[in-house]
Amino acid sequence: EPEVTQTPSHQVTQMGQEVILRCVPISNHLYFYWYRQILGQKVEFLVSFYNNEISEKSEIFDDQFSVERPDGSNFTLKIRSTKLEDSAMYFCASSDLTGRGEQYFGPGTRLTVT
Amino acid sequence: EDQVTQSPEALRLQEGESSSLNCSYTVSGLRGLFWYRQDPGKGPEFLFTLYSAGEEKEKERLKATLTKKESFLHITAPKPEDSATYLCAVQAYSNTGKLIFGQGTTLQVKP
Repeated sequence: EPEVTQTPSHQVTQMGQEVILRCVPISNHLYFYWYRQILGQKVEFLVSFYNNEISEKSEIFDDQFSVERPDGSNFTLKIRSTKLEDSAMYFCASSDLTGRGEQYFGPGTRLTVT
Repeated sequence: EDQVTQSPEALRLQEGESSSLNCSYTVSGLRGLFWYRQDPGKGPEFLFTLYSAGEEKEKERLKATLTKKESFLHITAPKPEDSATYLCAVQAYSNTGKLIFGQGTTLQVKP
């Protein structure tokens, strides 16, 4: 069964460092998303991406964040200068051609900023 | 503002004891309501999509229903392996597919 994969599973970084979180969406999906979940809190939308451009972003997704689809399979989230409050689980999700149906989530990357 | 509230926050059941989880929502034009299951340290796992009031979906011991203001996830004769956090999320017509999640209901089923 096709699934979304994410690497690494856990990333520890120092405040101010850049991190890149990687995702491989389901192969025939065209809509991609990043969400985050701070420990004990709700899953929060960060950004949606379609046709090689951002289609919507939340207030959380400021200039420190960027997304990219560098090739036909990977989808990345970059945080330029990490802050302590960026510590969270980051989930990638994808949905199919309609873009309005269910989204399938990856297992997440736990980011710890020290 | 689009919003999702789930209740209760936590629920403890004995194996075989049926119950329901509630998801109340306010959204500017509902495109879809989604139920996910989340195990500790894992990503949300898709369960159901509901699109219109009166719709029902079933999968094993779970049944999801939808009204104009809320959705219920009914769990019939639960087993310990049903223990997880159940998340409700809505998608509005006005956005590009983003999901707005509730805080979840953590279900524990004791043998």
